[in-house]
Amino acid sequence: DAGVTQSPTHLIKTRGQHVTLRCSPISGHKSVSWYQQVLGQGPQFIFQYYEKEERGRGNFPDRFSARQFPNYSSELNVNALLLGDSALYLCASSLEGFSRNQPQHFGDGTRLSIL
Amino acid sequence: QKEVEQDPGPLSVPEGAIVSLNCTYSNSAFQYFMWYRQYSRKGPELLMYTYSSGNKEDGRFTAQVDKSSKYISLFIRDSQPSDSATYLCAIYGQNFVFGPGTRLSVLP
Repeated sequence: DAGVTQSPTHLIKTRGQHVTLRCSPISGHKSVSWYQQVLGQGPQFIFQYYEKEERGRGNFPDRFSARQFPNYSSELNVNALLLGDSALYLCASSLEGFSRNQPQHFGDGTRLSIL
Repeated sequence: QKEVEQDPGPLSVPEGAIVSLNCTYSNSAFQYFMWYRQYSRKGPELLMYTYSSGNKEDGRFTAQVDKSSKYISLFIRDSQPSDSATYLCAIYGQNFVFGPGTRLSVLP
């Protein structure tokens, strides 16, 4: 069975640009979450979507936005990129939302570098 | 005080050793506890998941939770070079909160 897939795997952008990262959850999973992992640190929660609705948001600026599509795939958008946005962006899927505490399964991430 | 703190490491042990990895947390409302393993350039992989105080065993791995002390541990028996990775504790209250990770190296 395919796991969580993310694209692209690597991306290089310059300051001020916009980026869109994509995620396809495990088949049958309806919840997708996004995390930012800076080198040497644990993942930091950005968003959670369940049934196409935002169900949770971490402490990130409004430059970060996301959405979930009818097929449960998701996009993370980041505007006006800053050097500090350089990180590994991880997507995780679970059967249902956080409220039922379904274990999350992660993709291998998109490594974003800002020059 | 950070919500989740983790022994920083890095930790190097010989093959076959017993490894103890530890996290503490500050919020007693946290209900569920997980350990993930992350290899270099890969996403975190779920190892163990529990919600009650006590021990949970899965093969060479044992997760231990002490809610009264807000302390969780992961024990790895008969450690192998393939266990070399970063280990992340993750705790769920209203959202998932991850520790910073402990890098483990198991030397042949």
